[in-house]
Amino acid sequence: EPEVTQTPSHQVTQMGQEVILRCVPISNHLYFYWYRQILGQKVEFLVSFYNNEISEKSEIFDDQFSVERPDGSNFTLKIRSTKLEDSAMYFCASRSAGGAAFGQFFGPGTRLTVL
Amino acid sequence: GEDVEQSLFLSVREGDSSVINCTYTDSSSTYLYWYKQEPGAGLQLLTYIFSNMDMKQDQRLTVLLNKKDKHLSLRIADTQTGDSAIYFCAERGNQGGKLIFGQGTELSVKP
Repeated sequence: EPEVTQTPSHQVTQMGQEVILRCVPISNHLYFYWYRQILGQKVEFLVSFYNNEISEKSEIFDDQFSVERPDGSNFTLKIRSTKLEDSAMYFCASRSAGGAAFGQFFGPGTRLTVL
Repeated sequence: GEDVEQSLFLSVREGDSSVINCTYTDSSSTYLYWYKQEPGAGLQLLTYIFSNMDMKQDQRLTVLLNKKDKHLSLRIADTQTGDSAIYFCAERGNQGGKLIFGQGTELSVKP
């Protein structure tokens, strides 16, 4: 069964460093998302991406964040200068154009720890 | 604004039914979802319901939607220890595709 994959599973970085989180969505999916979950808090929407551009972003997704689909398979989230409060689990999700109720399929997540 | 709320914990005995409840605020939500998260894993889409339905059954899972009260529930029949996980309710608004999640209900199934 096709699935969304994410790498790395755990990333530790120093405050102020740049990180790139990688995702490989399901191959025939067209809509891509990033969410994050700070420990003990809700899963929060960050950004959605369709047709090579951002379709919606949350207040969290400020100028420090960017997304890219550099080729036909990868979808990346870059944080330019990490802060302590960026420590969270980051989930990538994808969905097809129609699909069963537009259901989003999630990857296993990348745990980002900023020291 | 949009908000989804769930109770945090539920404990049941193996073989009993579990009912996990959720309330939401956005009356324009088109679809509502239940996701399951096992330890160390991502969010697994379990089931969904369209906003013009009031019930959906899928094997051991029954979803009930009370649109007037903006209340959603997930019933798991014959709960097994393998059902122990965190269950998230999520709504999808009419605009865009983002999901708004509840805080998750941790289901503990005791043998």
